[in-house]
Amino acid sequence: LAKTTQPISMDSYEGQEVNITCSHNNIATNDYITWYQQFPSQGPRFIIQGYKTKVTNEVASLFIPADRKSSTLSLPRVSLSDTAVYYCLVGAYSSASKIIFGSGTRLSIRP
Amino acid sequence: NAGVTQTPKFQVLKTGQSMTLQCAQDMNHNSMYWYRQDPGMGLRLIYYSASEGTTDKGEVPNGYNVSRLNKREFSLRLESAAPSQTSVYFCASRGREPGQGTSLAEAFFGQGTRLTVV
Repeated sequence: LAKTTQPISMDSYEGQEVNITCSHNNIATNDYITWYQQFPSQGPRFIIQGYKTKVTNEVASLFIPADRKSSTLSLPRVSLSDTAVYYCLVGAYSSASKIIFGSGTRLSIRP
Repeated sequence: NAGVTQTPKFQVLKTGQSMTLQCAQDMNHNSMYWYRQDPGMGLRLIYYSASEGTTDKGEVPNGYNVSRLNKREFSLRLESAAPSQTSVYFCASRGREPGQGTSLAEAFFGQGTRLTVV
């Protein structure tokens, strides 16, 4: 998996839009960008995945510029329940491949 | 559909004791993984199994052994527990769906085993 860099922590307030950026300068042609969310005392869960441009689902949006060297996870109108650690992973599927999680971004939402 | 099931949920061991953490998945996934997560830290890969009958070391394999018993089950064994192995252990599985191409297939995680070694 390509090496990723993301902020260690972020703070925001309820109702705000939160954008978490991940840098992945060495992304390969076949690589996808995937984000996971981990609540305290739970295992990570998949949020969203994309290859280029923009992907949106019921939880978040993922923005990927043309050079694909970075990506931004956007959480609209966050609530206290969005307080979690968010991990950015980059890679292509292979059954033999490891899944390496970095330190993630610890997002704290305040009332 | 239970997904990934880990047993036990909690365990306290004395230094030097051994134990096996069990993990089973019912999604017919080829790949399975064991992670540990220390307080305030990210997940670190201990071992993984790309398919039944194969296992490989991850980032922090020392002090652990694994067995891929069959396609469903992947166990993690601590032969002689040490206080440094106090952590939360997560098992995960992953499998590519037909037509998914090279996208990084979603991994599904168990609820974790909280292990304390005293």
